[in-house]
Amino acid sequence: EAGVTQSPTHLIKTRGQQATLRCSPISGHTSVYWYQQALGLGLQFLLWYDEGEERNRGNFPPRFSGRQFPNYSSELNVNALELEDSALYLCASSLGAGQETQYFGPGTRLLVL
Amino acid sequence: QQPVQSPQAVILREGEDAVINCSSSKALYSVHWYRQKHGEAPVFLMILLKGGEQKGHEKISASFNEKKQQSSLYLTASQLSYSGTYFCGTEGRTGRRALTFGSGTRLQVQP
Repeated sequence: EAGVTQSPTHLIKTRGQQATLRCSPISGHTSVYWYQQALGLGLQFLLWYDEGEERNRGNFPPRFSGRQFPNYSSELNVNALELEDSALYLCASSLGAGQETQYFGPGTRLLVL
Repeated sequence: QQPVQSPQAVILREGEDAVINCSSSKALYSVHWYRQKHGEAPVFLMILLKGGEQKGHEKISASFNEKKQQSSLYLTASQLSYSGTYFCGTEGRTGRRALTFGSGTRLQVQP
């Protein structure tokens, strides 16, 4: 069974640009989560989507946004990039409907210059 | 509020045991344990739900004391493959799914 996949693996942008990160959950999973892992720091919760709806949001500015598509894949958009947005962005998925175990993808490493 | 993990780092010899602790200042609904190797995604180890249960998988087990809002991860007879950074993720209120992760415990197992 394929795990959570993310693309691209690496992304280099300059300040002020926009970045789009993509995630495909494990087949059958309806919930998708996004986390930011800055260098040397723990994982910070960004967003949770389930059945196409944003269910919860972490303490991040509105320029971090996303969506979930009918096939349950998800996009994370980061507008007006800042240097401190450089981090590993991890996507996780779970079965939804009360199944809490989150399985992580390999991440997208975003570098903002 | 971010849970506090201790110790921050530990070095073991193969076959030795280790305990990693995770403490929260808020009431917990669940505790999730992950291991992350350098450059890789966090790998799920186990989840403990409110109820004070203890779980185990081979030589890795964990406990959850909801009264103390603490969880401990027990690694027995450590193997080289156990090396990595261990994170606990806590969920403070059912239904919100936002895991708050500790800063991690770096474990290195040496031959």
